[in-house]
Amino acid sequence: EDQVTQSPEALRLQEGESSSLNCSYTVSGLRGLFWYRQDPGKGPEFLFTLYSAGEEKEKERLKATLTKKESFLHITAPKPEDSATYLCAVQAGGSNYKLTFGKGTLLTVNP
Amino acid sequence: NAGVTQTPKFQVLKTGQSMTLQCAQDMNHEYMSWYRQDPGMGLRLIHYSVGAGITDQGEVPNGYNVSRSTTEDFPLRLLSAAPSQTSVYFCASRASQGAFYEQYFGPGTRLTVT
Repeated sequence: EDQVTQSPEALRLQEGESSSLNCSYTVSGLRGLFWYRQDPGKGPEFLFTLYSAGEEKEKERLKATLTKKESFLHITAPKPEDSATYLCAVQAGGSNYKLTFGKGTLLTVNP
Repeated sequence: NAGVTQTPKFQVLKTGQSMTLQCAQDMNHEYMSWYRQDPGMGLRLIHYSVGAGITDQGEVPNGYNVSRSTTEDFPLRLLSAAPSQTSVYFCASRASQGAFYEQYFGPGTRLTVT
């Protein structure tokens, strides 16, 4: 059974204090790993897709990396507007569609 | 493009009532799906569709029905609402090929069953 574990459950940072969120996964043949951002009362918003170990993607202050067992979402010099829940999901090789989501990390950035 | 739209935004039902959650997308996406999101749990797949006339069960399908008569619409029916179905429901869509499997989510429907 595919599993996704995100840590920490919650993270509080000061503005400008860089940190990383972790997503560890167990899946039979990774087809893709996805990061989403979710603001309160809204649907998840797509951030990145990573396909193979060693791959990296960047968007503004966010950088996602992937190894064979986990992915990291690095946040550099965060701002209060980066506060949100960050979700990680995996798609197994045998699935043409189904995503398995982690429970998310609630990030709060204080000014 | 409006993207993925869902109605209603909020709904309160009594146990045993039935209702339909509406979902529409204007991106000509073949894949559409329904998820529920509960506190302390990840998004869980209820049903999905890979094209008009084709649907399949996800992880938690019991108590829900779907149909896909057009590419644009994918309604979710609650047959006889139960308190365990209190949740936030999200509809999502994506193209079947390319676009790096980017999945677009709707704004959600918050459902309370009393």
